[in-house]
Amino acid sequence: GDSVTQMEGPVTLSEEAFLTINCTYTATGYPSLFWYVQYPGEGLQLLLKATKADDKGSNKGFEATYRKETTSFHLEKGSVQVSDSAVYFCALGRNEKLTFGTGTRLTIIP
Amino acid sequence: DTAVSQTPKYLVTQMGNDKSIKCEQNLGHDTMYWYKQDSKKFLKIMFSYNNKELIINETVPNRFSPKSPDKAHLNLHINSLELGDSAVYFCASSQEVIQGNSGNTIYFGEGSWLTVV
Repeated sequence: GDSVTQMEGPVTLSEEAFLTINCTYTATGYPSLFWYVQYPGEGLQLLLKATKADDKGSNKGFEATYRKETTSFHLEKGSVQVSDSAVYFCALGRNEKLTFGTGTRLTIIP
Repeated sequence: DTAVSQTPKYLVTQMGNDKSIKCEQNLGHDTMYWYKQDSKKFLKIMFSYNNKELIINETVPNRFSPKSPDKAHLNLHINSLELGDSAVYFCASSQEVIQGNSGNTIYFGEGSWLTVV
């Protein structure tokens, strides 16, 4: 069945550092790929998405590129801020549902 | 206006009780979902409905019964609550069912924190 594997956290970075959170997936066919973010005590918000190979999703300085050859959708940001501290979920959309990774907790220290 | 709203946000109840969580979306979407997030933050789908019809039931115990009176509402009723039911329950909706590279986005509510004591 479909699955999503994310790098295990927690990840702690200093402000203005470069961020990468790895995500790989297993699915037959052509899923859509998503990154959702969950801030402390809040629900899930869509951060960005990509629907086909080589698409790049971007939002709030975050980017991720749909790489079919490596079945990956890694999340990157060039300079993180304290306000980016949250749990980040990679997900794939197929078969009438989203399948999520286990989430990566990110903490940014000033 | 909140697009997907669910109530209550926090619920503490005793084992054996029956409780309901309500969900409403004002996005005009056809498909609604319930997801469960456990203590380790893992998210797993429980149910999905399209135009009031059940399309996914992911081997959830039959103590959990979703009800969709219309396509803007999907309520979750839980009978005989157990300690292991403690979790955050997220309601969500999308314009259509999620299919491959359609790019349909699922919008989530803010979650209902259920604690069974």
